[in-house]
Amino acid sequence: QKEVEQNSGPLSVPEGAIASLNCTYSDRGSQSFFWYRQYSGKSPELIMSIYSNGDKEDGRFTAQLNKASQYVSLLIRDSQPSDSATYLCAVLGSSGSARQLTFGSGTQLTVLP
Amino acid sequence: DAGITQSPRHKVTETGTPVTLRCHQTENHRYMYWYRQDPGHGLRLIHYSYGVKDTDKGEVSDGYSVSRSKTEDFLLTLESATSSQTSVYFCAIGLGVENEQFFGPGTRLTVL
Repeated sequence: QKEVEQNSGPLSVPEGAIASLNCTYSDRGSQSFFWYRQYSGKSPELIMSIYSNGDKEDGRFTAQLNKASQYVSLLIRDSQPSDSATYLCAVLGSSGSARQLTFGSGTQLTVLP
Repeated sequence: DAGITQSPRHKVTETGTPVTLRCHQTENHRYMYWYRQDPGHGLRLIHYSYGVKDTDKGEVSDGYSVSRSKTEDFLLTLESATSSQTSVYFCAIGLGVENEQFFGPGTRLTVL
């Protein structure tokens, strides 16, 4: 059973702070990793994709990947109240399940004004 | 929303009745997925399709069937709905080699 684990929430940070969201995965052959943002009552929205070890930055968002440690994280700099949402980590399977995503259960983030 | 629509958006039905949910896309994408989302379980894959008439099971396929007779439509059927199938159902399309997935707006299904 392929697993994706996220740090349990909820997570609260003050406006302007850095929010750090973490995710570990069990499928060592996985090569593609994604972060989704989901507002309450809405569908998940893809915000970051990362495929290589290291950091990938997009605006206030930075995804970090360490395949050796089977760890992926998302940093949100200068957090805003509009960032308050549930963040889902997703991992693309390897080999026979190469087209399937496995999702973590999500971390709920609240940014306090 | 990547040109994805789902219908109906809300449905209330009774145990034992058949239910069909529709996912429609406008851009001829090959890969389509059905997920359910429940508190404490996150998103779980029910079935997916990699082309017309080509489908495969996901993690939680028991009690569900799918059909894809046209590229643009992917149907999810609950042959005999049970209360455990009360959930929010999301359809998604997969793009590119890395299979970035984009989701439809969802269907909230309540089985009484």
